[in-house]
Amino acid sequence: QKEVEQNSGPLSVPEGAIASLNCTYSDRGSQSFFWYRQYSGKSPELIMFIYSNGDKEDGRFTAQLNKASQYVSLLIRDSQPSDSATYLCAVKNYGQNFVFGPGTRLSVLP
Amino acid sequence: DVKVTQSSRYLVKRTGEKVFLECVQDMDHENMFWYRQDPGLGLRLIYFSYDVKMKEKGDIPEGYSVSREKKERFSLILESASTNQTSMYLCASSFGTGSPSANYGYTFGSGTRLTVV
Repeated sequence: QKEVEQNSGPLSVPEGAIASLNCTYSDRGSQSFFWYRQYSGKSPELIMFIYSNGDKEDGRFTAQLNKASQYVSLLIRDSQPSDSATYLCAVKNYGQNFVFGPGTRLSVLP
Repeated sequence: DVKVTQSSRYLVKRTGEKVFLECVQDMDHENMFWYRQDPGLGLRLIYFSYDVKMKEKGDIPEGYSVSREKKERFSLILESASTNQTSMYLCASSFGTGSPSANYGYTFGSGTRLTVV
């Protein structure tokens, strides 16, 4: 069974701080990795994609991938209350389907 | 703006009814998916399709069927709705398999919140 695990949270951080969201996966054949943000009552939206080891930055977001440790993370710098949402980690192997983690609920406190 | 459109945002149906959930995408995506999302259970894959008239069972296909007669449309059918099918249903689409370096992430529709009474 291919699994993707995340801490369900809630993760609470003060406004302006760095939020660190973590995800581990069990399938060593996983090829690419995605982070989705989902606001309450809304559908998930793609915010980051990474496929090679190391860091990838996009604005206030940085995705980090370590395939040897089967670990992917998302850092949100200068967190804002509008970042409060559930963040879903999704992993794709050679197939065309994703395996989603359960999501981490982030709360950014003003 | 690319879109995945689900026909209804909210739906209330009675137990035993046959229910149709429609999903249309305008991105010429090969792949389409139906998920349900429940608190504490996350996203669970019901059915998916990689091509017209093709369908594959996901993790929880029982009580559901699908239809894909055209590339842009993927329908989820609840043959006889039951209360345990009350859920948020999400349709998604993506391009077909390519290099892992290609961003073939899913685009989700806005969801249909189905209540079966």
